[in-house]
Amino acid sequence: GEDVEQSLFLSVREGDSSVINCTYTDSSSTYLYWYKQEPGAGLQLLTYIFSNMDMKQDQRLTVLLNKKDKHLSLRIADTQTGDSAIYFCADGGYNKLIFGAGTRLAVHP
Amino acid sequence: DADVTQTPRNRITKTGKRIMLECSQTKGHDRMYWYRQDPGLGLRLIYYSFDVKDINKGEISDGYSVSRQAQAKFSLSLESAIPNQTALYFCATSASTTGFGEQYFGPGTRLTVT
Repeated sequence: GEDVEQSLFLSVREGDSSVINCTYTDSSSTYLYWYKQEPGAGLQLLTYIFSNMDMKQDQRLTVLLNKKDKHLSLRIADTQTGDSAIYFCADGGYNKLIFGAGTRLAVHP
Repeated sequence: DADVTQTPRNRITKTGKRIMLECSQTKGHDRMYWYRQDPGLGLRLIYYSFDVKDINKGEISDGYSVSRQAQAKFSLSLESAIPNQTALYFCATSASTTGFGEQYFGPGTRLTVT
């Protein structure tokens, strides 16, 4: 069946860039999403990329999509302590949304 | 005020009890969803509803039921709670024009079954 995989944990120093990676299996995906979950809160949509795009930039966030390898990444520039959260990759479209297990990002001074 | 609200936020119940989790939204979205979150497993879809007369099973519907009382309200019931239903439960909504993908989540209900 369809699957989305992410590494579970990433630790970075404040001010550095963070790169969170994700792989997916469904070749018919229309959109790929990044959601953020802060402690004690629900998920919040951060950004998404259409499957025919290679890159999308939104302020400090850069999403890269390699459709051939089914690989998605989220780069956060100048990572701050407020970026500490769990980041979920999701493979979706009009009739589905499949989440990865989430990557916990820890930002230390 | 929050666009998607869930009640209660925390609940402890005993094995065999019936429990209902409620979700309300002010976003005017047609589509509503119930997920459970377990550590290391991400979110798994329990049930979803595309409009008031539509209910669909998700990936893990066994042991759960739902009711869509109005466009703005979608409740999840555990008829006879068991300990492995201990989890964090999220309600979410999306607009029919954007399908599943752009979902808006409530703050979650932490349920513990003892």
